[in-house]
Amino acid sequence: QKEVEQNSGPLSVPEGAIASLNCTYSDRVSQSFFWYRQYSGKSPELIMSIYSNGDKEDGRFTAQLNKASQYVSLLIRDSQPSDSATYLCAVKGGGATNKLIFGTGTLLAVQP
Amino acid sequence: GAVVSQHPSWVICKSGTSVKIECRSLDFQATTMFWYRQFPKQSLMLMATSNEGSKATYEQGVEKDKFLINHASLTLSTLTVTSAHPEDSSFYICSARVGGQYNQPQHFGDGTRLSIL
Repeated sequence: QKEVEQNSGPLSVPEGAIASLNCTYSDRVSQSFFWYRQYSGKSPELIMSIYSNGDKEDGRFTAQLNKASQYVSLLIRDSQPSDSATYLCAVKGGGATNKLIFGTGTLLAVQP
Repeated sequence: GAVVSQHPSWVICKSGTSVKIECRSLDFQATTMFWYRQFPKQSLMLMATSNEGSKATYEQGVEKDKFLINHASLTLSTLTVTSAHPEDSSFYICSARVGGQYNQPQHFGDGTRLSIL
């Protein structure tokens, strides 16, 4: 069973701090990795995609990928109360598969 | 870009009714669309993969005769929940992938909240 695991949280950080969200995956041949943000009662919104080992930065967000450790993370700098949401890690397996495997999500609460 | 529109946003209906949900890619063509279901405080569960011009691929445990999927064009997929019952009440979300490459991200519609009385 291919799995994606996340700490469910809640992860509570003060406003302005760095929030660090982590995700591990079991399928060693996974090629594509995505972070989605989901506000309560809403559908997921794509934040970042990452395909190669290392860091990828987009504004206040940085995704980090380590395929050897089967680990992907999302850092949110200067966290704002509006960042409070559930963050879903999604992994696409290797090969010609369409499916994304989603983690259960980490609830982030940014305290003003 | 990559806007996915889903309609309706809310449906409340009586048990036994069939409900159709539409998913449209507004600014791109989508050969593949996906249908998910999400129960409260749970993650997304893939129900089926919808392929334009061919039969949908259903996940294990999903009844294909109950959840009818049609993907007749490159911009529209529909999910029909037939003879809906209260246990079918859930948040249904579609997504579409831009382009034909498997590593492209999925973009989600706004979801349909279905309540069966």
